[in-house]
Amino acid sequence: SQQGEEDPQALSIQEGENATMNCSYKTSINNLQWYRQNSGRGLVHLILIRSNEREKHSGRLRVTLDTSKKSSSLLITASRAADTASYFCATDELGEYGNKLVFGAGTILRVKS
Amino acid sequence: DSGVTQTPKHLITATGQRVTLRCSPRSGDLSVYWYQQSLDQGLQFLIQYYNGEERAKGNILERFSAQQFPDLHSELNLSSLELGDSALYFCASSISRRATSGNTIYFGEGSWLTVV
Repeated sequence: SQQGEEDPQALSIQEGENATMNCSYKTSINNLQWYRQNSGRGLVHLILIRSNEREKHSGRLRVTLDTSKKSSSLLITASRAADTASYFCATDELGEYGNKLVFGAGTILRVKS
Repeated sequence: DSGVTQTPKHLITATGQRVTLRCSPRSGDLSVYWYQQSLDQGLQFLIQYYNGEERAKGNILERFSAQQFPDLHSELNLSSLELGDSALYFCASSISRRATSGNTIYFGEGSWLTVV
């Protein structure tokens, strides 16, 4: 099952522009996390936002969370070619067999220099 | 470098065979998670162990099994392999018992499995 769904599936921008990715989820959550994956590499944790938080910043990253709409957005400001990667949101899901972190399908970001 | 070590990095094997993927978590981390990433299924959670005990289970096939040893390293065993099992298998680790506690989960670089 996929709790989080990212939008858009792919995004291509010029260096220096801002990139916005969205994530929607289905059930109530405790927190939502964003991860980055360079092609064929492992995932790197970027930022976590708790359900009682509305906005969080980390460097050039800004994450918002709207629990009423069950959605989150990741904004990368002043993008660089090195930001080219896939970005995933991950949400917690309590299933029959325990609590697990469920990832969305991801947004592929390409930053052109 | 996340501190999570996975071996082998690449593996090519034939259908019907059995392979073992190995994972060493970050020093001090008690939880180990296994994920499968493929083009058609995306990133799928397979199973989690915490301090040697199974903690959570996801979409893990019966042909697959895992365990976590006393030294906290983990192995994922894949048997009766099919072409569709070709994927990137990730191990991840964290200090906490719950994946959603808010503690960072660190991912290894993955093991590429190709079944031919």
